[in-house]
Amino acid sequence: DADVTQTPRNRITKTGKRIMLECSQTKGHDRMYWYRQDPGLGLRLIYYSFDVKDINKGEISDGYSVSRQAQAKFSLSLESAIPNQTALYFCATSDSRQGTQPQHFGDGTRLSIL
Amino acid sequence: KNQVEQSPQSLIILEGKNCTLQCNYTVSPFSNLRWYKQDTGRGPVSLTIMTFSENTKSNGRYTATLDADTKQSSLHITASQLSDSASYICVVSEDTGRRALTFGSGTRLQVQP
Repeated sequence: DADVTQTPRNRITKTGKRIMLECSQTKGHDRMYWYRQDPGLGLRLIYYSFDVKDINKGEISDGYSVSRQAQAKFSLSLESAIPNQTALYFCATSDSRQGTQPQHFGDGTRLSIL
Repeated sequence: KNQVEQSPQSLIILEGKNCTLQCNYTVSPFSNLRWYKQDTGRGPVSLTIMTFSENTKSNGRYTATLDADTKQSSLHITASQLSDSASYICVVSEDTGRRALTFGSGTRLQVQP
């Protein structure tokens, strides 16, 4: 089983819809992250969480919200999806005892907004 | 503004050949630099991580170098294999409380038989 599991893997939806992407991990890591990846660009941080009660905005948080339901679960929501949110979304985890860079990534959710 | 520039954007080599990927950064203050490999349809996987004091680090056929003075890093792949076909991403961390990361856009490597 994957250490970091993202669901769904693919999603096509319409403008204005509310969407939730889910991430769960079995690594026991305390830190979790959401990134988006666009063609020709580096990954950009949307939100990150250092523990269940600690949520922080990344560089591109507008239009997104998150929820850290438990140490192992971190979900990303698009309240009202728009076409420029079409991208590949990655969840990642890290162990604060081993540094701050994401150490394990999920395999991504490909999101298309029509 | 912190930046990480990778070159080339894409590269095609024949199986068995060596290649070197470049990463130049302007992130300051510098904490560490990590190279990731991202296969198509998969998430990035960490290859190496280097701190200020490390010049070279190897992981099998992958060898990363770091010159903190010139703010350059390279990833050398020896005796390439078809499975090396992937994107390689350079990521630099700030040495601040926030430890913000700056991602390069990656080099797409294709190894042909």
